Amino acid sequence: RKEVEQDPGPFNVPEGATVAFNCTYSNSASQSFFWYRQDCRKEPKLLMSVYSSGNEDGRFTAQLNRASQYISLLIRDSKLSDSATYLCVVNPVYGQNFVFGPGTRLSVLP
Amino acid sequence: DTGVSQDPRHKITKRGQNVTFRCDPISEHNRLYWYRQTLGQGPEFLTYFQNEAQLEKSRLLSDRFSAERPKGSFSTLEIQRTEQGDSAMYLCASSLAAGAASSYNEQFFGPGTRLTVL
Repeated sequence: RKEVEQDPGPFNVPEGATVAFNCTYSNSASQSFFWYRQDCRKEPKLLMSVYSSGNEDGRFTAQLNRASQYISLLIRDSKLSDSATYLCVVNPVYGQNFVFGPGTRLSVLP
Repeated sequence: DTGVSQDPRHKITKRGQNVTFRCDPISEHNRLYWYRQTLGQGPEFLTYFQNEAQLEKSRLLSDRFSAERPKGSFSTLEIQRTEQGDSAMYLCASSLAAGAASSYNEQFFGPGTRLTVL
């Protein structure tokens, strides 16, 4: 089993749709969690950290379920500019290497 | 530009040649990471430094790969006797190791060096 797994995608959704991405991780001792966004041929950039209580940033909501070792990202009112690959990232040991999932590609269509 | 920079951005080489990549992290960041990314996959961790000390190496990092960060600032990644399977994007990231009060250390990525081995 891979350390971090994500929905295989791609997701093709119309503008204004709500889309949810799922991620599971295998190391129950993992310390911190993130969603990164990667545009085509660009470097990954932090979208949001994921807190135990869940957190929201505008149209984006992240949830963490430590018992199920599951992370989610919800995007509401999708924009064309949301088209990208979304990478689930787990930090197994605080401050050390990140483990990236394979990513889920999102295309928001006009 | 005060972000992470990498040089070169693209490198084409013949199988068997040695290549070296450079990464300049954000100046106040004490941690530096190297990742490799192939098409359709997320970045895979290779190694990381805290200041000049190399603290962790992935099993992906064969004997042909070596990384240094001699003065705790920039870092180099060298691949000896390149193979076609080494073709990938090599990403560098840096972060600031915070104290125990901070649980989240964002990693800032450079634009990467795309290596093609012919």
